[in-house]
Amino acid sequence: DTEVTQTPKHLVMGMTNKKSLKCEQHMGHRAMYWYKQKAKKPPELMFVYSYEKLSINESVPSRFSPECPNSSLLNLHLHALQPEDSALYLCASSQDGADTQYFGPGTRLTVL
Amino acid sequence: GIQVEQSPPDLILQEGANSTLRCNFSDSVNNLQWFHQNPWGQLINLFYIPSGTKQNGRLSATTVATERYSLLYISSSQTTDSGVYFCAGWVVDSNYQLIWGAGTKLIIKP
Repeated sequence: DTEVTQTPKHLVMGMTNKKSLKCEQHMGHRAMYWYKQKAKKPPELMFVYSYEKLSINESVPSRFSPECPNSSLLNLHLHALQPEDSALYLCASSQDGADTQYFGPGTRLTVL
Repeated sequence: GIQVEQSPPDLILQEGANSTLRCNFSDSVNNLQWFHQNPWGQLINLFYIPSGTKQNGRLSATTVATERYSLLYISSSQTTDSGVYFCAGWVVDSNYQLIWGAGTKLIIKP
């Protein structure tokens, strides 16, 4: 099974809302990633968790807060977002670093 | 610098045609991967190809690491092949950072 799942598929939120994106994989992968993708652009790395520890934070604003409750789950908590944060948010996992990455279907986020 | 460049940026073909997509990468990048992003946003890993040639059905890929390029071949194109094809490589000495090309947008007309 090479599946990464993400919920919700779509999310519309106001600038004062708090919401969370969820990602799950059951492939035993030790690295999990959050990416942000704007239209007609490649994905941009936001965060990397390796062995449940935050390894990389690509200078992401604090209104995005990642969490890795266990080796299979990855959350992205959203608070006080701006309209320019509207994008496709993708979760990915890999067995370890520098390995094949598998992506979830993404959450399409709209901030009003 | 750390670079991944793809060509062509756009490609429009009739169903049944063959195509070749190219990815050039700098020497700070290795372990190339090819992805297909369908019109609904799903990114599918096609090949993990640090070097050599791999085939999967109508798709094949070749990476010549010494010359810093990779090619993706699509034969007998189908409308479901439409979407954006990205190549991405791992930054040398960083286990968790992929550098992405800008993508090739492929449209297959029936």
